Formats: sequence, C-alpha cells, structure tokens
Amino acid sequence: GAGVSQSPRYKVAKRGQDVALRCDPISGHVSLFWYQQALGQGPEFLTYFQNEAQLDKSGLPSDRFFAERPEGSVSTLKIQRTQQEDSAVYLCASSRAQSFYEQYFGPGTRLTVT
Amino acid sequence: DQQVKQNSPSLSVQEGRISILNCDYTNSMFDYFLWYKKYPAEGPTFLISISSIKDKNEDGRFTVFLNKSAKHLSLHIVPSQPGDSAVYFCAASALRGGGADGLTFGKGTHLIIQP
Repeated sequence: GAGVSQSPRYKVAKRGQDVALRCDPISGHVSLFWYQQALGQGPEFLTYFQNEAQLDKSGLPSDRFFAERPEGSVSTLKIQRTQQEDSAVYLCASSRAQSFYEQYFGPGTRLTVT
Repeated sequence: DQQVKQNSPSLSVQEGRISILNCDYTNSMFDYFLWYKKYPAEGPTFLISISSIKDKNEDGRFTVFLNKSAKHLSLHIVPSQPGDSAVYFCAASALRGGGADGLTFGKGTHLIIQP
C-alpha cells in the first residue's frame, strides 16, 4: 500500500519568506508526527496529532512554527518568516493507534533558507 | 543534553560477519526502544523494537538487546549483507512515564558493509 508522502521534496526559500510543507499519512493512521532533522543529527520531535487534535507541540522551536491537521488526515507544517537556522529536513511520520510506537516515516522535505 | 547517544558515527564490517551497533541513554523514564534504518534521500524505516520489560527481541537477522541497569542497548545484524549499508538510528520513548509523545533519536551510526 501507499506509504507516507510529503511535498515538496525540496524547497528553497529566501530568508523572511513563509513556507508550507505537506504530509499525507498512511490511510487510517490516527497518529501523525513532525520531526526536524539537521545535517548530521538525528530527527528531533516537533509536534504530534491524534486525529485532528494537536496533543503535543512541545518541540516546536518558536512561535514561527505552526502545524495543523484540520480533518484528521493531511497535515501542513507552516514556518513563518524563515531564518537560516530553519534549514533542515522536515520528516513526517504516522502510526496506527494500536502500534503507537512504530512510526512510519515519509521521505522528508529538505528546506534550504538562503 | 543528548538523552540518546550513539557514540560511533561510523562502523565498517565485512560481509557475512556480525554487525553490532550500540546505543546508550540517560533518561530512566524511557520504556520503549526502536531501531530505524535510513538510506540517503529516504525517510527512516522501522527495523525492530523492544519494550523495557524485555531484554532481547529477535526478528530474522536482527536482534536487539537491552541492558536496563547499564542504560544500554545494542542491535546485532548477522550475517551482515551489502544491503545493510545505511545509517542506523536508535530511538526511545517515555510515553508511559508521561514524557513527550514523540521519539527521541540518537545521531545515528553509518554502517558500511564491505564485500
């Protein structure tokens, strides 16, 4: 079956621009996660949704980062007024409610802020 | 402060031999551990996991060992195959302890299988 998909795969933004990154989770997966992976580092947790409810946003680095999942399926991570330190790969993952810990990852969106 | 540490950035192993990847953690609230494999330009792929109530879990060529007293886990791959060449991430969760809902990852170990 189809896995987690993310778009765009690559995004170049000028400093100060707003960007929106999209995630399509595996159909039927109720849990959705966003991670940020800087070069040479492991993924770092940003935020978590259960259906449409954002239950944890403790990892969002600043109020310029905003995520939504209005209908409990597709999610969008928005970054306002991008800064150079926002350059990273943004990974989305989803999981079934019954296997909460086994998360399936998308290929990521590589964001470069110039 | 890194709560999950993978101290070997890279590891080179001959094809057919055993690969052992190590991971240490500092947070005693972690109760579930996972290993992910990542190829370039792809997202991490789940490999194997272990609950803190167990000390070993096996799945084919992959075995994960957990030593809770030492806060250490390891992934054994035997025999190693060329397709195993990838970056391996150790991850941990503290959900039952009331921790954050996401996984905490190490920095990864790049495993290279030499023919």
